[in-house]
Amino acid sequence: DVKVTQSSRYLVKRTGEKVFLECVQDMDHENMFWYRQDPGLGLRLIYFSYDVKMKEKGDIPEGYSVSREKKERFSLILESASTNQTSMYLCASSEGWHTEAFFGQGTRLTVV
Amino acid sequence: GNSVTQMEGPVTLSEEAFLTINCTYTATGYPSLFWYVQYPGEGLQLLLKATKADDKGSNKGFEATYRKETTSFHLEKGSVQVSDSAVYFCALLNSGGGADGLTFGKGTHLIIQP
Repeated sequence: DVKVTQSSRYLVKRTGEKVFLECVQDMDHENMFWYRQDPGLGLRLIYFSYDVKMKEKGDIPEGYSVSREKKERFSLILESASTNQTSMYLCASSEGWHTEAFFGQGTRLTVV
Repeated sequence: GNSVTQMEGPVTLSEEAFLTINCTYTATGYPSLFWYVQYPGEGLQLLLKATKADDKGSNKGFEATYRKETTSFHLEKGSVQVSDSAVYFCALLNSGGGADGLTFGKGTHLIIQP
């Protein structure tokens, strides 16, 4: 089974902090994704990566950056956390562009 | 562009009732279609998929048929259980080579009462 693991289930951070969310997949997938999930808005794509050191902006990249130094790991970085970034963050990976994505368990981030 | 529209709910049913969650889509090309389920406090799990017109995806008693003529992929189950209470997401993946992953609907919250 594909396993996508996010480093934390719950995080509480202060406004202005730099926050790192980590995601690791164990199936040698090419593509990795970061989404945020908010009530009434569904899932929105923040960034994705199709190869090591490659990244592309999704629908809502503002206030975020990403890093993919190794194929199995994709990090989401909040450069200066703000309260409107309080959300559930979901990482996913997929083998190719025409295959389904597999999700991690999610990180619920609260910025106070 | 791509979009997915689904009923948002909450949808409340009694145990053993028949379930339909509607999903329609807009896409260029010939997308693959998916239903994902999210149980409380968890990430998304793939429930079923269909990759071409008239395909039927099925899993755990749930079914959905890819209808190209009506651009729909409605989720059905003949007899729901309390354990089916979750949020269900319809999604599409375009075959046109769009390198941006899945497009999701906003999710339907399903509540099954004993």
